[in-house]
Amino acid sequence: GENVEQHPSTLSVQEGDSAVIKCTYSDSASNYFPWYKQELGKRPQLIIDIRSNVGEKKDQRIAVTLNKTAKHFSLHITETQPEDSAVYFCAATAYSSASKIIFGSGTRLSIRP
Amino acid sequence: NAGVTQTPKFRILKIGQSMTLQCTQDMNHNYMYWYRQDPGMGLKLIYYSVGAGITDKGEVPNGYNVSRSTTEDFPLRLELAAPSQTSVYFCASSYSVGAGANVLTFGAGSRLTVL
Repeated sequence: GENVEQHPSTLSVQEGDSAVIKCTYSDSASNYFPWYKQELGKRPQLIIDIRSNVGEKKDQRIAVTLNKTAKHFSLHITETQPEDSAVYFCAATAYSSASKIIFGSGTRLSIRP
Repeated sequence: NAGVTQTPKFRILKIGQSMTLQCTQDMNHNYMYWYRQDPGMGLKLIYYSVGAGITDKGEVPNGYNVSRSTTEDFPLRLELAAPSQTSVYFCASSYSVGAGANVLTFGAGSRLTVL
């Protein structure tokens, strides 16, 4: 089955700087890569996703890039703000096993004022 | 449209007791999931279901049971509770955005403590 590794486990950046979180996956058939954000005490929510036929996707200050050859994808947050402080989870699913959604171990992002 | 509703929100169990965490969704989603999240840790998949009458094991199924008799409900049963089952439990349902991609909608979570 799919195995997703996520790094780093914790990340602290100065407000206004950029943050990058990386994930690698094992199943070359994976075609869908979502990112979820979980604020303290809240439920996880989808913030951005990308499919395997696209190399990059942007939504305002967040972007996700995908390198299928290397089997890794990354979340980029620019101009970080205090409300970006949260735990971020990545996942990777293949069409044949799309219902079994297993997450990476998570990255706790802290924004320093 | 309430989304995914979990009950109870909090529960304290004694070792060896049993209980059921309830989950219901009103979005007519076929897929439903149970995850657990230990303090400061990630989300681990316990069980999932692709439709009524169909369930399958996730990463950490031991000590739990599920059933899916209707599209709306997906209860999680804990038998013989152990301290290792102290966690926050999230139920989720998902809809397809095409080509096998599923977007999860989570419930608010159920915090379980086993003493």
